[in-house]
Amino acid sequence: GQNIDQPTEMTATEGAIVQINCTYQTSGFNGLFWYQQHAGEAPTFLSYNVLDGLEEKGRFSSFLSRSKGYSYLLLKELQMKDSASYLCAVRDRVWGKLQFGAGTQVVVTP
Amino acid sequence: SAVISQKPSRDICQRGTSLTIQCQVDSQVTMMFWYRQQPGQSLTLIATANQGSEATYESGFVIDKFPISRPNLTFSTLTVSNMSPEDSSIYLCSVEDRERAYEQYFGPGTRLTVT
Repeated sequence: GQNIDQPTEMTATEGAIVQINCTYQTSGFNGLFWYQQHAGEAPTFLSYNVLDGLEEKGRFSSFLSRSKGYSYLLLKELQMKDSASYLCAVRDRVWGKLQFGAGTQVVVTP
Repeated sequence: SAVISQKPSRDICQRGTSLTIQCQVDSQVTMMFWYRQQPGQSLTLIATANQGSEATYESGFVIDKFPISRPNLTFSTLTVSNMSPEDSSIYLCSVEDRERAYEQYFGPGTRLTVT
């Protein structure tokens, strides 16, 4: 089985930086995904890490440490539209199903 | 990335009836999955839709309740059978894109309410 933990909620002000941590314990590992989900909408793919290190995509970056079972999603220059739930998910095989964390609700305030 | 569509986008159904949800992809994909997201919850995998063979169900989900078809590499259906209010959820299909390093993408979802 797998255990994936992330904080329930985080609040930050517009223009600030927020870091969402995700820790996982899995029997196997073949990649960690981050998705953004606005209320009432489907999850949108943000990033995929399979090797250790930092992947940067514009205002969003994702980091992975396989030895520590740890990842984070970094959101810079926060905008109001970034208010959403952020889901961490782990894939335990080369292909196949994802196991999701409970999601972190990020609230961006003016 | 692959473009995924689902039909219907939402429906309100009566207890005891069944609803079939369709998932269409604009390119051939090997892996298709069906997830459920209950109100206020994260996503839970129902099953992997296998082309040409029976779907692989996760613990807690059975074929009689959630029959799945996968007739080809671009299309799948999920049926929610003998519905009860507890089946009210968003149902999402996802695909794995091997042309994009095995990234997974979701369809827009089907919002089901059972009364």
